[in-house]
Amino acid sequence: TQLLEQSPQFLSIQEGENLTVYCNSSSVFSSLQWYRQEPGEGPVLLVTVVTGGEVKKLKRLTFQFGDARKDSSLHITAAQPGDTGLYLCAGIMDSNYQLIWGAGTKLIIKP
Amino acid sequence: DTGVSQDPRHKITKRGQNVTFRCDPISEHNRLYWYRQTLGQGPEFLTYFQNEAQLEKSRLLSDRFSAERPKGSFSTLEIQRTEQGDSAMYLCASSSRVGTEAFFGQGTRLTVV
Repeated sequence: TQLLEQSPQFLSIQEGENLTVYCNSSSVFSSLQWYRQEPGEGPVLLVTVVTGGEVKKLKRLTFQFGDARKDSSLHITAAQPGDTGLYLCAGIMDSNYQLIWGAGTKLIIKP
Repeated sequence: DTGVSQDPRHKITKRGQNVTFRCDPISEHNRLYWYRQTLGQGPEFLTYFQNEAQLEKSRLLSDRFSAERPKGSFSTLEIQRTEQGDSAMYLCASSSRVGTEAFFGQGTRLTVV
């Protein structure tokens, strides 16, 4: 059983559309990170959220941490082909510093 | 410091051979992680070092796998008697004493033929 569930697993949309991907758990995390990974490369950190209800924006990307710190969402406005990649969420529990990973959402933005 | 570096980037080996990968973390980071990732999946945790101490090992890490971080700086991951199922991307990441973010290297792509 995946401790962090990401949905959808796969999303293919047209350039210019908006989308939201989700990262859900029944466990509480002290912080949660979002990463983007391109084929053949390591994941690259996009953002870290630490406070329940926190919202962070990175250009067209909006990240939100749930009030209870059990879930997070990533919203992309006016998606572009350059947004294509595997989006991974990873959380840290208070008990240790090991990152718990979701399986990722594979996003394809078609021109 | 240019970030986490891994060597080699690609390795093709015959089944049964031993391979060793190296990871150089960001210099001030004391935590170092090894992950394995297969296509389209998230990283699977293998093992974790704090300084030179190996604090945690996944059940995925069979007795053919061994990792070291002798001086608390670079780390090596060795796979003995490789099997085709070992083919994957092996990722190394590091994080600081107080930070929570992990910074990844570009990975070593292993293909066992």
